[in-house]
Amino acid sequence: DAGVTQSPTHLIKTRGQHVTLRCSPISGHKSVSWYQQVLGQGPQFIFQYYEKEERGRGNFPDRFSARQFPNYSSELNVNALLLGDSALYLCASIRTGGSEKLFFGSGTQLSVL
Amino acid sequence: DAKTTQPNSMESNEEEPVHLPCNHSTISGTDYIHWYRQLPSQGPEYVIHGLTSNVNNRMASLAIAEDRKSSTLILHRATLRDAAVYYCILRADPSGSARQLTFGSGTQLTVLP
Repeated sequence: DAGVTQSPTHLIKTRGQHVTLRCSPISGHKSVSWYQQVLGQGPQFIFQYYEKEERGRGNFPDRFSARQFPNYSSELNVNALLLGDSALYLCASIRTGGSEKLFFGSGTQLSVL
Repeated sequence: DAKTTQPNSMESNEEEPVHLPCNHSTISGTDYIHWYRQLPSQGPEYVIHGLTSNVNNRMASLAIAEDRKSSTLILHRATLRDAAVYYCILRADPSGSARQLTFGSGTQLTVLP
């Protein structure tokens, strides 16, 4: 089975623009989480979705939004980009129902100029 | 989630055991201890987790102190591919729908040939 796939792998935007990042979870996984990792730091939780509903939200501004689709894939949207939004954005999928493991994708590297 | 404290960096020689410490003096009775690692240019990868008893899997062993205020991740024979940032994370409510992880800065493990 394929792992968690994220697209695009790299992205360059300018301040004020918006961006959409995409994630496909492992087949059979119904929950997806998003994390932001700034260079030199550990990942920070942004959102979790399960069965298309938001189940958790980290301390991020309203410029960040997400959704989950019927096929359990997910999009992370960031509006009005700031230089500080430059980071690696990671998606993780979880097989709910007993498993404690999160499976992460390789991330999307976003650079805001 | 309760806070963990890890050394910023450690070095090990190839094919020797590595003991990565983690202090979590404010751990609560229901907090599970999780370890993830992040190889260069990849997302975090699950390593192991436990509650009270020591745990072993194909990747590593987890030794948990009797008072649960500290734990040690043991890599039995380090290889160059084990060079990564290792994160010790406490998770409450593992049976709930929330699957967020609170990452610290982790320990950068360097494996010397």
